Amino acid sequence: QLVLTQSPSASASLGASVKLTCTLSSGHSSYAIAWHQQQPEKGPRYLMKLNSDGSHFKGDRIPDRFSGSSSGSERYLTISSLQSDDEADYYCQTWGTGTVVFGGGTKLTVL
Amino acid sequence: EVQLLESGGGLVQPGGSLRLSCAASGFTFRSYAMTWVRQAPGKGLEWVSGMSDSGSSTYYTDSVKGRFTISRDNSKNTLFLQINSLRAEDTAVYYCAKVRGSDYSNYFDSWGQGTLVTVSS
Repeated sequence: QLVLTQSPSASASLGASVKLTCTLSSGHSSYAIAWHQQQPEKGPRYLMKLNSDGSHFKGDRIPDRFSGSSSGSERYLTISSLQSDDEADYYCQTWGTGTVVFGGGTKLTVL
Repeated sequence: EVQLLESGGGLVQPGGSLRLSCAASGFTFRSYAMTWVRQAPGKGLEWVSGMSDSGSSTYYTDSVKGRFTISRDNSKNTLFLQINSLRAEDTAVYYCAKVRGSDYSNYFDSWGQGTLVTVSS
């Protein structure tokens, strides 16, 4: 079964970097994912598509501070030079034949 | 610039119906699959329904099968979700999203701002 696992919460200081993790279920380590950001009281925003080889394709006007990488079944979103408006929920999403799956989301707090 | 504008949400009694709309602009609507995602209060994102670019292929999550119907009018660049027999657990913000590609099983690269559906007596 295709499942994405995310830690419920993460925190980092203003100006620092943070790396969020999304883990694919066993047998699905070749799958690409997408990262989405949801700021408080707003709709989600597409950040990037992230392939298993670490190549990623960002959405329009997504700052260079946001980057993606991959290792095995893990997909990462790294945000550098954290700003206050990076405080948000971050969701990963993947897809297969006839299905789409979301991770449970990680709530990022900027200290 | 891609824009997706949902409308049609509101307060409805259990058992009632609503028709949600999503007006799309800024891209060739007929060439892309579209989808509905919902978010219950304080919860994560849940994929509800998807439709291919031509409308020939659809998906519904199990909890809405037989109650929700997705449709699209490619001549008017609009996506719809007819929701019937509403239950309290359908209370959520409903988002329209553009799918990257013609099939609904792909990633979502643009989102609307959402429309709130509240089911309560």
